[in-house]
Amino acid sequence: EAAVTQSPRSKVAVTGGKVTLSCHQTNNHDYMYWYRQDTGHGLRLIHYSYVADSTEKGDIPDGYKASRPSQENFSLILELASLSQTAVYFCASSDVRVEQYFGPGTRLTVL
Amino acid sequence: QQKVQQSPESLTVSEGAMASLNCTFSDRSSDNFRWYRQHSGKGLEVLVSIFSDGEKEEGSFTAHLNRASLHVFLHIREPQPSDSALYLCAVSATSSGQKLVFGQGTILKVYL
Repeated sequence: EAAVTQSPRSKVAVTGGKVTLSCHQTNNHDYMYWYRQDTGHGLRLIHYSYVADSTEKGDIPDGYKASRPSQENFSLILELASLSQTAVYFCASSDVRVEQYFGPGTRLTVL
Repeated sequence: QQKVQQSPESLTVSEGAMASLNCTFSDRSSDNFRWYRQHSGKGLEVLVSIFSDGEKEEGSFTAHLNRASLHVFLHIREPQPSDSALYLCAVSATSSGQKLVFGQGTILKVYL
């Protein structure tokens, strides 16, 4: 079965600090995505990647960087965390025309 | 840019009554539609995917797509209290690389 894992599952960060969220997939999928979800709302696309060593901006990329060092791994980096970045972050993977498989989410709280 | 809107924002139904959720989208080239369920504090569970006009049934969930009117509906037959959750509609288009655009969700509450 397709598997997408995220780490950490929960994190508390201080304003202005650096945060790295990690995602690992064992699906052999080319496509990976990072979304954020604010309480009670849908998901919004931050960054995505079609291939290792390449990333693309999604709909809300400001304040975030992404890194895809290999097909299996995709990281989301907050260089200077801010209060407004408190949210739940989901990673997903897919192949073209195939279902996106979502990880369990990372709850980030910035204080 | 694709816009996806869901209605109602929240819906309360009694156990066993039909629940109907609505999703409208703006990009007429959209060709890939999904409904997800998310229980509080949990991840996303895909319920049904539909790619052409008409209906598609998965268990107690039926999606109905009408691309001409830019609507996709989800009907839940005989919902149970365990179906209480946030329901999300997601739309994508091959022309935009299959990037999913989500609606804001409908909170469904099912009571005994």
